[in-house]
Amino acid sequence: QKEVEQNSGPLSVPEGAIASLNCTYSDRGSQSFFWYRQYSGKSPELIMSIYSNGDKEDGRFTAQLNKASQYVSLLIRDSQPSDSATYLCAVKASSGDKLTFGTGTRLAVRP
Amino acid sequence: DTGVSQDPRHKITKRGQNVTFRCDPISEHNRLYWYRQTLGQGPEFLTYFQNEAQLEKSRLLSDRFSAERPKGSFSTLEIQRTEQGDSAMYLCASSPRSGLHHEQYFGPGTRLTVT
Repeated sequence: QKEVEQNSGPLSVPEGAIASLNCTYSDRGSQSFFWYRQYSGKSPELIMSIYSNGDKEDGRFTAQLNKASQYVSLLIRDSQPSDSATYLCAVKASSGDKLTFGTGTRLAVRP
Repeated sequence: DTGVSQDPRHKITKRGQNVTFRCDPISEHNRLYWYRQTLGQGPEFLTYFQNEAQLEKSRLLSDRFSAERPKGSFSTLEIQRTEQGDSAMYLCASSPRSGLHHEQYFGPGTRLTVT
């Protein structure tokens, strides 16, 4: 079992729709979870962090965390073509400071 | 606020040569991380520093790899006797001293091609 799992996609949604990206993790002791956006050929950009069970909203982005199910998700409302990118889920280890990343989900927003 | 900077941005080298990359973290960030990313994969952790102390090294970091952060500011990553399998994007990130969760902010990366 991979430590952090994401569906590689591509996930294709029409402009204006809600994009839903999912991630599961194996380290039950993890406390910190992050979503990064990565455009092709660029480095990852931090867009959301979440530490407590429930929802966290920031503009068009909502991160959801369920520690009992070891599940993190990212919702993007009113998707725009500029949201087309790979979204990386990252989990901070229960001990130490390293991040473990999933392979990323490629999102394509159709105009 | 100046972000994380990395130099060079691209490096092409021949197999067997040594290369060194530099990372300058965000000002006053005391933690600095190195990751490696290959096509279609997420970044993989290599090592990290708190101030000048190297606190963790991945098993991915073979004897040919060494990292330093001598004064707790910038860091260097050296790869000796490069191999074609070392071709990747090398990413540096930094995080602030305050807070519990240490959000990591990435630099633009150094793309290494070993021919």
